[in-house]
Amino acid sequence: EIVMTQSPATLSVSPGERATLSCRASQSVSSNLAWYQQKPGQAPRLLIYGASTRATGIPARFSGSGSGTEFTLTISSLQSEDFAVYYCQQYNNWPPGVTFGQGTRLEIK
Amino acid sequence: EVQLVQSGAEVKKPGESLKISCKGSGYSFTSYWIGWVRQMPGKGLEWMGIIYPGDSDTRYSPSFQGQVTISADKSISTAYLQWSSLKASDTAMYYCARHWGGIVGPSDIWGQGTMVTVSS
Repeated sequence: EIVMTQSPATLSVSPGERATLSCRASQSVSSNLAWYQQKPGQAPRLLIYGASTRATGIPARFSGSGSGTEFTLTISSLQSEDFAVYYCQQYNNWPPGVTFGQGTRLEIK
Repeated sequence: EVQLVQSGAEVKKPGESLKISCKGSGYSFTSYWIGWVRQMPGKGLEWMGIIYPGDSDTRYSPSFQGQVTISADKSISTAYLQWSSLKASDTAMYYCARHWGGIVGPSDIWGQGTMVTVSS
């Protein structure tokens, strides 16, 4: 199984500032990496796929980068609605299939 | 509108059986893999398994193999997740999600979730 490790577990940032979230894979997943946002009481929402492509309707302040084993999600200027939990997910191949990171909680500083 | 609509919350006792559903609409249900994801209270997302409704090809995460059964009825555009004997540790929110781009791909459409509570 490919293990995805996100850091930090919790990130405190002020509105208007930049947030940088990291995700590391235990082995190369090429660019087969997605990022999701989950707000309390809601289902996850796809933000980024292919490591760097924004999903439909996702604002340009969200950007993804990386390949292989190291990935980053950057939110350029935090809005109030961006405070949530973010998960990375690899979907490189079958087997072993799909695995998620443990999540990063982005909270208001 | 492309959507997945899941069945409602369930409260069950240990040892009981359960089958929850996920109905797709607004797209060709038989052309996309549907996955199931578990989220235990206050915890992260765990991928359970996946089914291709077109031919019912099903794959499981090793962690969930033998613990649950995934099925689909393409005639009514519905996927299912079932347990034969629930345990308290099955208490969780369960999401279905459409895999875009193949058996392994990002999940672009999610159901609203079904909360399953198992308690004596």
